Amino acid sequence: NAGVTQTPKFQVLKTGQSMTLQCAQDMNHEYMSWYRQDPGMGLRLIHYSVGAGITDQGEVPNGYNVSRSTTEDFPLRLLSAAPSQTSVYFCASREPGQLSGEAFFGQGTRLTVV
Amino acid sequence: GENVEQHPSTLSVQEGDSAVIKCTYSDSASNYFPWYKQELGKGPQLIIDIRSNVGEKKDQRIAVTLNKTAKHFSLHITETQPEDSAVYFCAASSTYSSASKIIFGSGTRLSIRP
Repeated sequence: NAGVTQTPKFQVLKTGQSMTLQCAQDMNHEYMSWYRQDPGMGLRLIHYSVGAGITDQGEVPNGYNVSRSTTEDFPLRLLSAAPSQTSVYFCASREPGQLSGEAFFGQGTRLTVV
Repeated sequence: GENVEQHPSTLSVQEGDSAVIKCTYSDSASNYFPWYKQELGKGPQLIIDIRSNVGEKKDQRIAVTLNKTAKHFSLHITETQPEDSAVYFCAASSTYSSASKIIFGSGTRLSIRP
């Protein structure tokens, strides 16, 4: 049971480049989310999804797009990378609603934009 | 929206002593309060959680208390050990809606002195 898998683990981008951070979970969780982690600011929610075909914005959505075509996958796209997007990105999944409890996190993607 | 404040940002305690981390939340609809531990280079992992229908929960050396009236909750670690050194995050969420978000505090870096 792999849990939540993120790829890649590390990435360096040039300003203006685009890329997709991949996230996959094998726990059949409806709820998936993306966070970014910056020093002193904890984990800030970028986008989330309560099921296939449904996405919504979190606290810091600007500069990021998401889609949810399957229950398992929730990719995060950076259309035109900026140095301010240098961060560690975490994907998480959990059960929604009344059953919600533990969120399971991936190992993170460390992104540097130069 | 929900806001979670966490203090202190750094904490250093002697091995064997106790450590206390405190959080406050703003949304009275929040009813689920997890605590996560993040070790270097890894994603956060749930260590304990509490729901609003109880005031205290304990798991071996770790306990969490909740004061709904004051909107405070705290993590208590007793008999600290070197392996307790990590970053700890509190969080708050409402389970009433399938779209409920988990909002995290800014984190506490706990160091255990030998």
